Amino acid sequence: DSGVTQTPKHLITATGQRVTLRCSPRSGDLSVYWYQQSLDQGLQFLIQYYNGEERAKGNILERFSAQQFPDLHSELNLSSLELGDSALYFCASSERGGASDEQYFGPGTRLTVT
Amino acid sequence: SQKIEQNSEALNIQEGKTATLTCNYTNYSPAYLQWYRQDPGRGPVFLLLIRENEKEKRKERLKVTFDTTLKQSLFHITASQPADSATYLCALDQGGSGYSTLTFGKGTMLLVSP
Repeated sequence: DSGVTQTPKHLITATGQRVTLRCSPRSGDLSVYWYQQSLDQGLQFLIQYYNGEERAKGNILERFSAQQFPDLHSELNLSSLELGDSALYFCASSERGGASDEQYFGPGTRLTVT
Repeated sequence: SQKIEQNSEALNIQEGKTATLTCNYTNYSPAYLQWYRQDPGRGPVFLLLIRENEKEKRKERLKVTFDTTLKQSLFHITASQPADSATYLCALDQGGSGYSTLTFGKGTMLLVSP
């Protein structure tokens, strides 16, 4: 158990809908990261937050947005969902948010768009 | 374009032998390279991090080498066990002290038979 929690575990929704994925980092970690994993693309970095501020952005679509709240939990919002958004979404956390940090991954949310 | 290549074919070895996994990259200048283990349907688990100015890092039965001239990292598991069977992901980070942009390869599956 990494100490990172993610809810829900599974989510099934229809195209065009909007969903919110939630992540709570390990106790003491200030930085949160979101990743998307699909069979064809592998594990892709979406976005990083540190203590409430956006720090780095990867291949995140404009239809996706995230935020980190004062209690350090984070939410990833996915809107206008398409079939291709079906994937495993992982949240990770680290202590300082730098490139030398090891990242602790949560169990993931499996999103299925029908 | 930037690429991280890991052998897509599964590596099959016998228990007790040394497993060697390869990670090659192009058009990156990573400050850090990390290796993660991922079991099916679960989040990646951090194993080792090596810096660009380090040639080799060890942790118990694990060893990582990093050759920035060849643009290659080798990951070794000595005295392999069936419990080592998993997918191993190589990840590069070009981030800095305040941010991380971890980019993952697609991973190599390792199968250790008794």
